[in-house]
Amino acid sequence: SAVISQKPSRDICQRGTSLTIQCQVDSQVTMMFWYRQQPGQSLTLIATANQGSEATYESGFVIDKFPISRPNLTFSTLTVSNMSPEDSSIYLCSVARAGDEQYFGPGTRLTVT
Amino acid sequence: GENVGLHLPTLSVQEGDNSIINCAYSNSASDYFIWYKQESGKGPQFIIDIRSNMDKRQGQRVTVLLNKTVKHLSLQIAATQPGDSAVYFCAENSTYGGSQGNLIFGKGTKLSVKP
Repeated sequence: SAVISQKPSRDICQRGTSLTIQCQVDSQVTMMFWYRQQPGQSLTLIATANQGSEATYESGFVIDKFPISRPNLTFSTLTVSNMSPEDSSIYLCSVARAGDEQYFGPGTRLTVT
Repeated sequence: GENVGLHLPTLSVQEGDNSIINCAYSNSASDYFIWYKQESGKGPQFIIDIRSNMDKRQGQRVTVLLNKTVKHLSLQIAATQPGDSAVYFCAENSTYGGSQGNLIFGKGTKLSVKP
């Protein structure tokens, strides 16, 4: 398994601002992912964070809105840019090693007012 | 696109009874399936997985059944306990281990255990 932490755990932000969420894992992992979970909904993959290169985004998500960094094998950030109330969600980081299942962080609960 | 969904959005059971949570999927190419448990305020926690070359897999108090003919997945929890109360998600992936590519999640079933 892997121990994953996210910062902040929750935040309340004003529309038009940006928030950067950090994901830290206690050991090197092959893959890191960012998911969004809207209130009362299931999880949707935003992007795969690639170490040393641009993230791979899923349909409906773009780099300008959700820039992602992954400078090494244990750390990644997700920025939610120019926020609107529709961005209010839980943002989850997950990690995996090759051939292993995905483990999820505790999530960051974002409320945009 | 692919669709992974659940038959029942909520399930209420008596403590000690067995629980069955169902999931339907539409992508016949999916070869790996996972059940996650999400407690309030926490991230999803891995429960059990199964590959498409298996019909059944058992863990501690949990069993996953896979019926590829009808594209149906179920999670059985034996002797359900109050600590089992949570939302349960099924997810599918086309690569074993979920480490490559997209995990597609179902809508979730909320399990409530009555003491």
